[in-house]
Amino acid sequence: GDSVTQKEGLVTLTEGLPVMLNCTYQTIYSNAFLFWYVHYLNESPRLLLKSSTDNKRTEHQGFHATLHKSSSSFHLQKSSAQLSDSALYYCALSDRGSSGNKLIFGIGTLLSVKP
Amino acid sequence: GALVYQYPRRTICKSGTSMRMECQAVGFQATSVAWYRQSPQKTFELIALSTVNSAIKYEQNFTQEKFPISHPNLSFSSMTVLNAYLEDRGLYLCGARLGGRDYAEQFFGPGTRLTVL
Repeated sequence: GDSVTQKEGLVTLTEGLPVMLNCTYQTIYSNAFLFWYVHYLNESPRLLLKSSTDNKRTEHQGFHATLHKSSSSFHLQKSSAQLSDSALYYCALSDRGSSGNKLIFGIGTLLSVKP
Repeated sequence: GALVYQYPRRTICKSGTSMRMECQAVGFQATSVAWYRQSPQKTFELIALSTVNSAIKYEQNFTQEKFPISHPNLSFSSMTVLNAYLEDRGLYLCGARLGGRDYAEQFFGPGTRLTVL
């Protein structure tokens, strides 16, 4: 079945360094929709980025990601980490199967930015 | 803006008892509502998807008998965890979507954290 893999459970960075959180996926559908959600403690998960267009960079709030269908990847990047970026980040895939509009989430990556 | 509220935020129940949680979309009318559970050390797992004018569809490993859902209108949904046991503990998220397209953003509530004693 469809799945999302986030290899890193925890990424620890020093403020100012670049961020890269990995996300790969598997789906039987050629028209995959990929999302990144950011989840701060005691708040609602919030959509950060989304894309369905191959090889097109999408940006929001300093973060960017490019969907590469050839490698089934949608890695999240930022040029310079800030302390306020410390949060859980979930990569998710929209499933267009018989279940309808559901999201399949990765395990999540905890980003910890230190001064 | 679009907001999703969930109530209660935290709850504790005794093993074998039931508890009900609510989800309310404010500022928009949701065309679908999804309930997810995040068990300890796991990711969010879809329990069921409720779409306007369609029957509620449960995922494998989740049943209506265990997690009955009520979705009386486009803004409100409730789900009950019947006969809760230790494996039912976790964070229950409600996600409300505006529009039927896959690309339509799903707005999440902050979740209801269930502890089972």
